Amino acid sequence: QSALTQPPSASGSPGQSVTISCTGASSDYVSWYQQLPGKAPKLMIYEVNKRPSGVPDRFSGFKSDNTASLTVSGLQAEDEADYYCSSFPGLFGGGTKLTVL
Amino acid sequence: EVQLVQSGGDLVQPGGSLRLSCAASGFTFSSYWMNWVRQAPGKGLEWVASIKADGNGTYYRNSVEGRFAISRDNAKNSLYLQMNSLRADDTAVYYCARNIGYETFDSWGQGAQVTVSS
Repeated sequence: QSALTQPPSASGSPGQSVTISCTGASSDYVSWYQQLPGKAPKLMIYEVNKRPSGVPDRFSGFKSDNTASLTVSGLQAEDEADYYCSSFPGLFGGGTKLTVL
Repeated sequence: EVQLVQSGGDLVQPGGSLRLSCAASGFTFSSYWMNWVRQAPGKGLEWVASIKADGNGTYYRNSVEGRFAISRDNAKNSLYLQMNSLRADDTAVYYCARNIGYETFDSWGQGAQVTVSS
């Protein structure tokens, strides 16, 4: 089972946009999860670019070839968390720690 | 409201066994695939096992195949993970999670700590 590759860290100032990449995603079933410290993950994006009900539209997903990406626009302090991509079959990325400066 | 409430985490010796449980409520449990996902200390998420909605199909990551068994009781709205021959590298927080599509886990339990150590 091959791994998905994410950058270990990303950062941006409040109001800015930041994009996190996920390479190795050959399937169109790509999801993104947000995990706050000590909490269970939360689904933010599924099937590349769909948002579950209740997820702000500041979060968006995209995929080109084997690289998926998550963009967080209008960064807010509450967005500071670990973000994980996942893709069929049963793969997770190593996670990206997003810091809001 | 969809809820997944876990129980069963513990400290266990290498080679020992443990069973995790996940009680579901707020949705038609028998209509959904269910999963176990784990997270070792300071590490990322790792899919462990999946089970079809009717229980007639189970899938495992290579490293747990033959040692772990996922099961469900749809009459009791419950999901289980029987873990045998536990090793130190099985130490992790284990989460149960509901599938709404391929690799789309929309609801998660609160997590259960499993520590394998002598």
